[in-house]
Amino acid sequence: DIQMTQSPSSLSASVGDRVTITCRASQSINFYVNWYQQKPGKAPKLLIYAASNLQTEVPSRFSGSGSGTDFALTISSLQPEDFATYYCQQSYSAPPWTFGQGTKVEIK
Amino acid sequence: QVQLQEAGPGLVKPSETLSLSCTVSGGSIDTYYWSWIRQPPGKGLEWIGYIFYSGSTNYNPSFKGRVTISVGTSKNQISLSLSSVTAADTAVYYCARASSGHYGYWSGSYKKDYYYYMDVWGEGTTVTVSS
Repeated sequence: DIQMTQSPSSLSASVGDRVTITCRASQSINFYVNWYQQKPGKAPKLLIYAASNLQTEVPSRFSGSGSGTDFALTISSLQPEDFATYYCQQSYSAPPWTFGQGTKVEIK
Repeated sequence: QVQLQEAGPGLVKPSETLSLSCTVSGGSIDTYYWSWIRQPPGKGLEWIGYIFYSGSTNYNPSFKGRVTISVGTSKNQISLSLSSVTAADTAVYYCARASSGHYGYWSGSYKKDYYYYMDVWGEGTTVTVSS
């Protein structure tokens, strides 16, 4: 299985901060990474697909980058509604599709 | 706008079979992959498997043959069956639509690299395994 390792596991940030979450794959996965946001008690929501494509209606402050084994999700200016847990997921190889362990973004 | 709704018993006894359905409304199941994902309490996401609308499936090997995903006879329902459940199967279960895209490139001949992403999710249903 391809392992996806996110860092950090959690972070504290203030409104307006620039935040970057990284995801490292255990082998090269080209650009086959998606990013999701999950708020407590809610289903995950797709933010970025294929490493850098912004999903429809997702604010442009979210961006994705990377290829091969190293990927990043950046929030250019953190907003109150962005406090949530973020997951990366690889779709390069199935079975199985695998998720990172999640990064919880909390208010400082 | 496509919407997904999971349904099933909230409580299942150990060793029994968990059966859930996912009803697709506002769109067709055609041309998409349909996934099941679960999330144990306080933990991360785990992909269970998917079915293509035509019926082909792909399962997470960690479930060791306990999983079956199928398309319902009404063609707007996706079903999940998980046998021999234990307390470790207690989780919120989500169904999700997986869309695909591709990049084309030349390598001797023209080829396509397909990528997949889960763009529509149900709200999830909680299943507890307990006697």
